[in-house]
Amino acid sequence: DGGITQSPKYLFRKEGQNVTLSCEQNLNHDAMYWYRQDPGQGLRLIYYSQIVNDFQKGDIAEGYSVSREKKESFPLTVTSAQKNPTAFYLCASSKGLAGETQYFGPGTRLLVL
Amino acid sequence: KQEVTQIPAALSVPEGENLVLNCSFTDSAIYNLQWFRQDPGKGLTSLLLIQSSQREQTSGRLNASLDKSSGRSTLYIAASQPGDSATYLCAARFSGNTGKLIFGQGTTLQVKP
Repeated sequence: DGGITQSPKYLFRKEGQNVTLSCEQNLNHDAMYWYRQDPGQGLRLIYYSQIVNDFQKGDIAEGYSVSREKKESFPLTVTSAQKNPTAFYLCASSKGLAGETQYFGPGTRLLVL
Repeated sequence: KQEVTQIPAALSVPEGENLVLNCSFTDSAIYNLQWFRQDPGKGLTSLLLIQSSQREQTSGRLNASLDKSSGRSTLYIAASQPGDSATYLCAARFSGNTGKLIFGQGTTLQVKP
């Protein structure tokens, strides 16, 4: 089955800790995205990547970092600098950046202990 | 500032009713608009994508329209069913914003049996 997988489904972070969220796709898509969703709000773009070894900041990149070493993978690290990390994190992919449909993974819910 | 708004935030209808969900955007230089469905605690499922050159798209009981001049898109759901209960999000890609979707806050629909 082609699709996007995210892991873990739930993640708990302690104060001062960095945590990494996994996103993998087997759709052979070039572009990948990370969004954050807070209750009652729409999704906000954190980072996106058009091709391997390239990525751009979105609207709320502060306190987050990403890498794109492989086409299939786009992990997101929530650093200790992100003071309000509790949210639902969604990864997406598309063939390119030219307006194609974005396909989403099941999400990771991050909670702070 | 480019913004996308969905009103109302919540809607409840009896089963079998035809209904319209609204999405408004502030910039007429829109590249395309996408409608998504989100079930509680899940990722987003793409429903319909309308390019700026199109006026509407149809898939089964769903019909989405786009009016750039008025800054509006609507999602029409015919003969609603309890299984249609979910949150519906619209997202716009504006010209010049490569790869970036701007999301509305969503409308949570409940279809009562």
